Amino acid sequence: DIQMTQSPSTLSASVGDRVTITCRASQSVSSWLAWYQQKPGKAPKLLIYKASSLESGVPSRFSGSGSGTDFTLTISSLQPDDFATYYCQQYNTFYTFGQGTKLEIK
Amino acid sequence: EVQLVESGGGLVQTGGSLRLSCAASGFTFSSYEMNWVRQAPGKGLEWISHISTSGGTGSYADSVKGRFSISRDNAKNSLYLQMDSLRAEDTGVYYCARPGYSSGGGLDSWGQGTLVTVSS
Repeated sequence: DIQMTQSPSTLSASVGDRVTITCRASQSVSSWLAWYQQKPGKAPKLLIYKASSLESGVPSRFSGSGSGTDFTLTISSLQPDDFATYYCQQYNTFYTFGQGTKLEIK
Repeated sequence: EVQLVESGGGLVQTGGSLRLSCAASGFTFSSYEMNWVRQAPGKGLEWISHISTSGGTGSYADSVKGRFSISRDNAKNSLYLQMDSLRAEDTGVYYCARPGYSSGGGLDSWGQGTLVTVSS
């Protein structure tokens, strides 16, 4: 089974900051990597697919990069609405989620 | 508008059974593979099952293999999850989720979730 490891588990940042979350796969997933945002009590929302493609309607301050085993999600300038938990997910072989990164207000 | 609405959750005793449903609308259900994803209280997301468009092939996470069964009825635009031999660790919110063609296979549509509580 493919394991996904995210870091950090928790990230404290301020509005306007640039933040980066990393995700590492235990084996290559090519570019079959997605990023989701989840707020308390809500379903996850797809942000990025195929490692770097922005889902329709998602603000351009979100971007993704990487291939193979190492991936990053970057938010260029944090907005108040961005404080949430973020998950990476591989879908090269079924699906595996990372453990999540909680983005908190500093 | 794509809509996925789960139902069937509730409180069940350890060892019991429950059947979840997911009603789909706003898209051609029979053209899409479907998944179940769950989330234990305060924990992360866990993929648990996938089904092909025809319903002929189902796949499962090791944590539920042999206890859960996924199915679909394309005529009724519905997805199901039969859960047997339930354990306390099966407690959580269960989501149905659709991988989108325009989203390259990412799960672009999710239901609101249904809560399953397994207790002795």
